[in-house]
Amino acid sequence: AQSVTQLGSHVSVSEGALVLLRCNYSSSVPPYLFWYVQYPNQGLQLLLKYTTGATLVKGINGFEAEFKKSETSFHLTKPSAHMSDAAEYFCAVSFQGAQKLVFGQGTRLTINP
Amino acid sequence: EAGVAQSPRYKIIEKRQSVAFWCNPISGHATLYWYQQILGQGPKLLIQFQNNGVVDDSQLPKDRFSAERLKGVDSTLKIQPAKLEDSAVYLCASSSRPTSGGQEYFGAGTRLSVL
Repeated sequence: AQSVTQLGSHVSVSEGALVLLRCNYSSSVPPYLFWYVQYPNQGLQLLLKYTTGATLVKGINGFEAEFKKSETSFHLTKPSAHMSDAAEYFCAVSFQGAQKLVFGQGTRLTINP
Repeated sequence: EAGVAQSPRYKIIEKRQSVAFWCNPISGHATLYWYQQILGQGPKLLIQFQNNGVVDDSQLPKDRFSAERLKGVDSTLKIQPAKLEDSAVYLCASSSRPTSGGQEYFGAGTRLSVL
């Protein structure tokens, strides 16, 4: 079955430190890949996505992610965390030909001063 | 452009009561989705519309949940009767290019508490 897994339900980093949120998918065919962010009491906002082409994708707010087919991964990174990055992050996949997203369980990012 | 609009933002009901949520997608978006997001989990698709037709409702509990999108624009999701386990945030999203990696745009959601 096709699925997506986020390793770590809660990640805590210091302000200015590297942010690394992990996402792996299970599929025999490379899917479309997305990272969404959800701030408290708000809907989901797209950070970045990979469909085709360059495997390193840059998004909003200084985030980027790299699609690694051999590792079936799409980890999200940011070189220097900011207090405003504290939120819930969701990795999602859309398997080619399908019209819907399948979400991971989410990772809550906490930034320590 | 205006985003996805949802109402109400919050709703508190007692079990066995009924409730309805409303969603107005981004203008021109043919595809509309309803998701259920239980606390601590990722959103789970309940139903997907393409214009006014249902594309996928495989995870919709049809004995108590119903949804419609009669004119292919706005949509309502109803729960009747509600159970305690229906407490969740109900998110509406819309998309213009769902099959080619087009992103989904989300509303702020309706937070339902069933007591």
